[in-house]
Amino acid sequence: EAQVTQNPRYLITVTGKKLTVTCSQNMNHEYMSWYRQDPGLGLRQIYYSMNVEVTDKGDVPEGYKVSRKEKRNFPLILESPSPNQTSLYFCASRSSSGRYNEQFFGPGTRLTVL
Amino acid sequence: AQKVTQAQTEISVVEKEDVTLDCVYETRDTTYYLFWYKQPPSGELVFLIRRNSFDEQNEISGRYSWNFQKSTSSFNFTITASQVVDSAVYFCALISGPTGGGADGLTFGKGTHLIIQP
Repeated sequence: EAQVTQNPRYLITVTGKKLTVTCSQNMNHEYMSWYRQDPGLGLRQIYYSMNVEVTDKGDVPEGYKVSRKEKRNFPLILESPSPNQTSLYFCASRSSSGRYNEQFFGPGTRLTVL
Repeated sequence: AQKVTQAQTEISVVEKEDVTLDCVYETRDTTYYLFWYKQPPSGELVFLIRRNSFDEQNEISGRYSWNFQKSTSSFNFTITASQVVDSAVYFCALISGPTGGGADGLTFGKGTHLIIQP
């Protein structure tokens, strides 16, 4: 089954404790992306990757890092989480051959930073 | 710059009523695509439809229909004979610019929370 998976689905942590949210897709997609969803703000893009070793900032990259060492994986790293990073996070992927193609979203990771 | 406006923050209707969710977009590009996603209470994002800027035909899929009007920059979504299972947050989204490659993500509206009461 074609899918995007994220782990963990739920995470409660404390300020300053480094964490990683993993994202993996099995569709051989080149393009992957991270969004955060906040009430009243919709979804906003954090980082994206056009292919292995190619990453770039989205609209709200501050406080986040990403890496793309393998095509299928695109982890989101919070080196020193803060309460304003409490949010619902979505990973997405699509084939870069079609910029207008549907993006496939993971199930979401709900992060709470105390 | 591109922008998507969903002015309706929350809509509440009684089951079996028809309901329309509004979406107004802004873009300087002549090539763009519009999307609708559904987010049920379980939280995942479910793709509903994609429409390109060169195709103004309305689309119907069962109880769902979409009205795309370039003259008013709108891409509205209507649910006919609503059901409780339609209760969700609905997002309209836009991507625009030249074809082929491109790095920009989707620009989402803030979403409309639809509540269908039994």
